Amino acid sequence: EVQLVESGGGLVQPGGSLRLSCAASGFTFSSYSMNWVRQAPGKGLEWVSYISSSSSTIYYADSVKGRFTISRDNAKNSLYLQMNSLRAEDTAVYYCARAVLWFGELVSDYMDVWGKGTTVTVSS
Amino acid sequence: QSVLTQPPSVSGAPGQRVTISCTGSSSNIGAGYDVHWYQQLPGTAPKLLIYGNSNRPSGVPDRFSGSKSGTSASLAISGLQAEDEADYYCQSYDSSLSRVFGGGTKLTVL
Repeated sequence: EVQLVESGGGLVQPGGSLRLSCAASGFTFSSYSMNWVRQAPGKGLEWVSYISSSSSTIYYADSVKGRFTISRDNAKNSLYLQMNSLRAEDTAVYYCARAVLWFGELVSDYMDVWGKGTTVTVSS
Repeated sequence: QSVLTQPPSVSGAPGQRVTISCTGSSSNIGAGYDVHWYQQLPGTAPKLLIYGNSNRPSGVPDRFSGSKSGTSASLAISGLQAEDEADYYCQSYDSSLSRVFGGGTKLTVL
């Protein structure tokens, strides 16, 4: 069964750090790009970061650029999100999602498998 | 303010047909990037519903359909059922090299 399981969430003070992990199973992790997506309480989905299968291409949302770092370890079938200088507005459920390349009129990708999420709360 | 605009809510009676719009701009949908849709049932993770404007993953009923025209896309749900009550999100790609979501639409089945 294709599965993504996030972990590492918790309560952290403003300015603190947290490292999220996403364990992949049931598919060839090294063949897929991955995303982190978050959802603040009662709010919509917000894309956070993208990493290609070989880690050669990485993108961040402006809201986290310079504070968050995405990485992966294909040997361990794992995706990570290092979050530094956390703010109250980073409070959210964080999902990892598998990216599938889509060759439409222009090349893009969509997210076909999602984890259940891990909750990050930034509060003093 | 989301890059893609969706109505906050829509509603319909069982058996009816509802549509959810997703309006973008010339830097995303209008540029030629396709639209994908996700369904989020209460208390659960999002699930892929439609990819590439109008394609359904295996297991998604054909009551769900999607289309795209110009700078907008639409999700249609026919034969509305109680279990369709959920939040629906559109997603595309923006020329700023980012993935973008709509603000989400809450579907209420009356």
